[in-house]
Amino acid sequence: DAKTTQPPSMDCAEGRAANLPCNHSTISGNEYVYWYRQIHSQGPQYIIHGLKNNETNEMASLIITEDRKSSTLILPHATLRDTAVYYCIAKNSGGSNYKLTFGKGTLLTVNP
Amino acid sequence: DAGVIQSPRHEVTEMGQEVTLRCKPISGHNSLFWYRQTMMRGLELLIYFNNNVPIDDSGMPEDRFSAKMPNASFSTLKIQPSEPRDSAVYFCASTGTAGNTIYFGEGSWLTVV
Repeated sequence: DAKTTQPPSMDCAEGRAANLPCNHSTISGNEYVYWYRQIHSQGPQYIIHGLKNNETNEMASLIITEDRKSSTLILPHATLRDTAVYYCIAKNSGGSNYKLTFGKGTLLTVNP
Repeated sequence: DAGVIQSPRHEVTEMGQEVTLRCKPISGHNSLFWYRQTMMRGLELLIYFNNNVPIDDSGMPEDRFSAKMPNASFSTLKIQPSEPRDSAVYFCASTGTAGNTIYFGEGSWLTVV
């Protein structure tokens, strides 16, 4: 799986959009970008994933650059409950490779 | 949907004792994972099963750790004998055939004193 790089921490004001960047310059053509988050004292939670098109669901939007070397997770209206560590992971989807390898992630703190 | 269920949620045990952590994956999921999380090492994959068969156990720290999956709805992670350095949060997770989304349990918080 390709290595990903994220800032260790970010702050965001409540109600504003939180934009979390991730670099994955060595990503291969069949690797997806996955985002998970971990709220304190809970297990990691799936947010969204994508290959090359931008994706949106009820939790967030994922913007992937055209060259696929970086992506941004967008929480459109951050709330205090969005304070968590956010993990960006590049991996193949399905098949025999189900492993998720977590890095250190980005600690997002949403401030009132 | 009950999600991935782990037990116990919290365990405090003395060094040298046997510890057994239990996991019930989401019904219908055919892959199961055990992860360990510590401040120093973050989230580490210990072992994963596909269709009840261990596929990759390269993350299991040493012979004191063992994992079994006797059927599709139950798995155990055993530590015998336990040591203080085994203190961590142990997460179980599962996913279905497509493997796009891995669902985690709430974790078992283990303290070995």
